[in-house]
Amino acid sequence: DADVTQTPRNRITKTGKRIMLECSQTKGHDRMYWYRQDPGLGLRLIYYSFDVKDINKGEISDGYSVSRQAQAKFSLSLESAIPNQTALYFCATSDTGRGYEQYFGPGTRLTVT
Amino acid sequence: GQQVMQIPQYQHVQEGEDFTTYCNSSTTLSNIQWYKQRPGGHPVFLIQLVKSGEVKKQKRLTFQFGEAKKNSSLHITATQTTDVGTYFCADDNQAGTALIFGKGTTLSVSS
Repeated sequence: DADVTQTPRNRITKTGKRIMLECSQTKGHDRMYWYRQDPGLGLRLIYYSFDVKDINKGEISDGYSVSRQAQAKFSLSLESAIPNQTALYFCATSDTGRGYEQYFGPGTRLTVT
Repeated sequence: GQQVMQIPQYQHVQEGEDFTTYCNSSTTLSNIQWYKQRPGGHPVFLIQLVKSGEVKKQKRLTFQFGEAKKNSSLHITATQTTDVGTYFCADDNQAGTALIFGKGTTLSVSS
C-alpha cells in the first residue's frame, strides 16, 4: 500500500461549492504539507503542519483552510471554490527537522467550473 | 522573498544526448534537494546536497552544489526515454520549516 494517499484523485466541482481534499499517511511523520501545482509555476506551498496543534500558512493560503485531525490525516478545504483554484494538489509528509526529504501523495486533480 | 530559480524551463534532447538543469539563488542555499516528477506522477526525491562543492552521482545522474552555495546543477549523461519528466530543485526556507521549490525543468527525449 502507498505510504501517502489522497482522496479523491479527481474532482470536478462548480464555482461556489465547498470541497475537501483528504490526505492520509502511514509513514509516522509529524510534518505534513499541502501544495498546488500549476503548469509553469512549480509547486507552491499552501499550508503545513508540524503536529495536530501546529498549523502554518504557506505562500498561497488565501481561499484555503486545513484541518489536522490526527497525526496521520491532513485535510485541505476550499470553502467556496473558484475557477482559478483549478490545479493539481499534492499532499506531502516529512520527518521532523531540517533537510528531510518529502514524500508526496499521488495528487488530486481538481477542476472548478 | 527567498526564491530558487531554475533554468531552462523546457529542454528537448535526442536520446543519447546529455542534459543539464541549473538551480540558482541570489542568497546562500541551505540544503538543496532534487526531485523528479514523471508525466502524470508525483514528485519523488532524488538526492540532497548539503556541503559547499559537493558532488554526488547516481548512475548517469551527477548532482553538484556550487562552492558559494548559490547554485546547484543536475546533469544527465546519455539521456534515455526513461529520463523524461520534470526535475525540481528545492531549498529549505530560512526558518527550516518548509521547502522552497524551483519552477522545474521539463525534459523530453525523442528516440
